[in-house]
Amino acid sequence: QVQLQESGPGLLKPSETLSLTCTISGYSISSGYYWGWIRQPPGKGLEWIGSISRSGTTYYSPSLQSRVTISVDTSKNQFSLKLSSVTAADTALYYCATQTGYYSFDYWGQGTLVTVSS
Amino acid sequence: QSALTQPPSASGSPGQSVTISCTGTSSDVGGYNYVSWYQQHPGKAPKLMIYEVTKRPSGVPDRFSGSKSGNTASLTVSGLQAEDEADYYCCSYAGSNNLVFGAGTKLTVL
Repeated sequence: QVQLQESGPGLLKPSETLSLTCTISGYSISSGYYWGWIRQPPGKGLEWIGSISRSGTTYYSPSLQSRVTISVDTSKNQFSLKLSSVTAADTALYYCATQTGYYSFDYWGQGTLVTVSS
Repeated sequence: QSALTQPPSASGSPGQSVTISCTGTSSDVGGYNYVSWYQQHPGKAPKLMIYEVTKRPSGVPDRFSGSKSGNTASLTVSGLQAEDEADYYCCSYAGSNNLVFGAGTKLTVL
């Protein structure tokens, strides 16, 4: 079974760039699927950030597109998220997930909390 | 795109059935058969319960079912059990490779 684990700094200052990595086990990222990032502000709902295919084609939420970069590293079986110019509004639990058919998120990581504060 | 509309809360007694709605537009829910539902217990990651409107992943009890009519999708939980108490989120494809979630519904088992 596919397992995912997010990692990265938990505290950022405003205007910095958020960088998170999702490490996959139990499946080779180069074998297929899509790989997505979703976030959840404390006490609020889920928001899709963006996704990437095994070949590196990216798909971003229109509301975050100008600040988001998602990349894949097949050699490390990882994919990554960068979100630039963060503000307090970017404080959230960030999840990575698989999308076997793109349209749904089948397996999720446990999530990592990122707090933006001066 | 705007978040899909879900009722903030829903409730039912053990053994009863409860239905949670998810309303969008013809550009998302109504335009594609790509609605999924997620269950999230406090402090846990979401879990996929329904995909492509009506399909259940392996391991999800058949007490959970999905449907769609027009721009509104629904999740029905039959034979409510205590462990069904959780937050539920719908998600729809919105065209142009975009995905949009609902605001979530807190299901309480009375």
